[in-house]
Amino acid sequence: DAGVIQSPRHEVTEMGQEVTLRCKPISGHDYLFWYRQTMMRGLELLIYFNNNVPIDDSGMPEDRFSAKMPNASFSTLKIQPSEPRDSAVYFCASRKHHMGTEAFFGQGTRLTVV
Amino acid sequence: KQEVTQIPAALSVPEGENLVLNCSFTDSAIYNLQWFRQDPGKGLTSLLLIQSSQREQTSGRLNASLDKSSGRSTLYIAASQPGDSATYLCAVNPLTGNQFYFGTGTSLTVIP
Repeated sequence: DAGVIQSPRHEVTEMGQEVTLRCKPISGHDYLFWYRQTMMRGLELLIYFNNNVPIDDSGMPEDRFSAKMPNASFSTLKIQPSEPRDSAVYFCASRKHHMGTEAFFGQGTRLTVV
Repeated sequence: KQEVTQIPAALSVPEGENLVLNCSFTDSAIYNLQWFRQDPGKGLTSLLLIQSSQREQTSGRLNASLDKSSGRSTLYIAASQPGDSATYLCAVNPLTGNQFYFGTGTSLTVIP
C-alpha cells in the first residue's frame, strides 16, 4: 500500500479564498483523522471519521472549516474563507477498526494564507 | 483532558551515545501509546506502538517502555547515529474516544 496520500503538498492562497485539502487513507482502514500542526499549539485533532461518518468534530476551529468523507477512500477538509491564522501543516491519518492498532500519517499539506 | 508532556524539548548528543527520551501523561486510563518520528517538512513515521498491558516494545535500536500507573513512557535509542536526528513525538490513545493526544515533541540532533 502507498500509505496515506495527501494533496496538495503545498498550498499558498490569498486571504478570503477557498482552500480544499484532500486525503486518501490506507485501504481497509476504518478511521480517518484530520490534524493541524503549528509551532505554537503542536498537533491538534480537528475531526475524525469512522466508516465515513464524522464522530467528533469538536476540534474544528469555527464554521469556516468543514470536512467530508463521501466514501472509504477519500476525504476533504475545506476552509472557506481562509485567513492568515489558518496557516499551518494539515495532516491526515488513518487506522484500522481496532483501537489497538497503529495510526499512519500522510506527508501533510503545508498551507500558507497571505 | 489528557495532557502529554515531553522532556527535554531539545537534545544534542555525539554519535554513538545511548539516549532516553521521556514522555509523561496525566491520565493513566489509556489504551495504548505510540511513538513517532518527524523529519523536517515531513509527515509522522510510526516507530513503536505499546499497548497498555505491555511493559515494553523493541524495534532494532529502539526500545519503548511504559509505566501506565505513573503516567510515563520512555524511548531508548541505542548507539545513536546522525540519521536519528529528527523530532520524536509520543501520542496517547485514551480508553474513551479514538483520538490521539500528542506530546510537545523532543528535537534530537546527533552530532557526527
